[in-house]
Amino acid sequence: QVQLQESGPGLVKPSETLSLTCTVSGGSVSSGNYYWSWIRQPPGKGLEWIGYIYYSGTTDYNPSLKSRVTMSVDTSKNHFSLKLRSVTAADTAFYHCARYGGHENYAFDIWGQGTMVTVSS
Amino acid sequence: DIQMTQSPSSLSASVGDRVTITCRASHNINTYLNWYQQKPGKAPNLLIYAASSLQGGVPSRFIGSGSGTDFTLSISGLHPEDFATYFCQQSYSPPRTFGQGTKLEIK
Repeated sequence: QVQLQESGPGLVKPSETLSLTCTVSGGSVSSGNYYWSWIRQPPGKGLEWIGYIYYSGTTDYNPSLKSRVTMSVDTSKNHFSLKLRSVTAADTAFYHCARYGGHENYAFDIWGQGTMVTVSS
Repeated sequence: DIQMTQSPSSLSASVGDRVTITCRASHNINTYLNWYQQKPGKAPNLLIYAASSLQGGVPSRFIGSGSGTDFTLSISGLHPEDFATYFCQQSYSPPRTFGQGTKLEIK
């Protein structure tokens, strides 16, 4: 079955760029049925959708983060990535990648386990 | 943005009880409403999509209903593994937004 796995630094300094990658196994990021998403969750708090990317490179970002976010997809490596610029302590959170069934269930049906990113000097 | 409001924020119940969690959207979202279960230290898990469709592998004791702005998730006959936090999420329009969560605790 399809599995997602996040990877990247667990500690980022303020004002720097957070970079994470999500590797897809058991399926293809090139599947036209899905959008590949990033969602974050500050410890003990709720969920915030960051955005998603289609295999073609089309993106849709949360307006609240749009000015600082870039997502990309690498079909040859079967992974997709997130960059969040100019981070502050408010960006400290668990970051999850997830598959969104945009043409099927319109839901986040598969999630990575999440990776904790702390913003601190 | 469409705001999603869940109630209650927390709920105590016993094994075998039936519980209901409510989710209200700030705008009409038709049936573009999903429910997730999250256990400590784990990623959320999709339970219900399109307001009432059971995701594969999810027990039939989980029942979703509603349309428009008001939705409910009911769990009939609570099992020990059901004590977790539940989130609703709308897929009607971006940005995709989530409710704040309902923590279901053992009484």
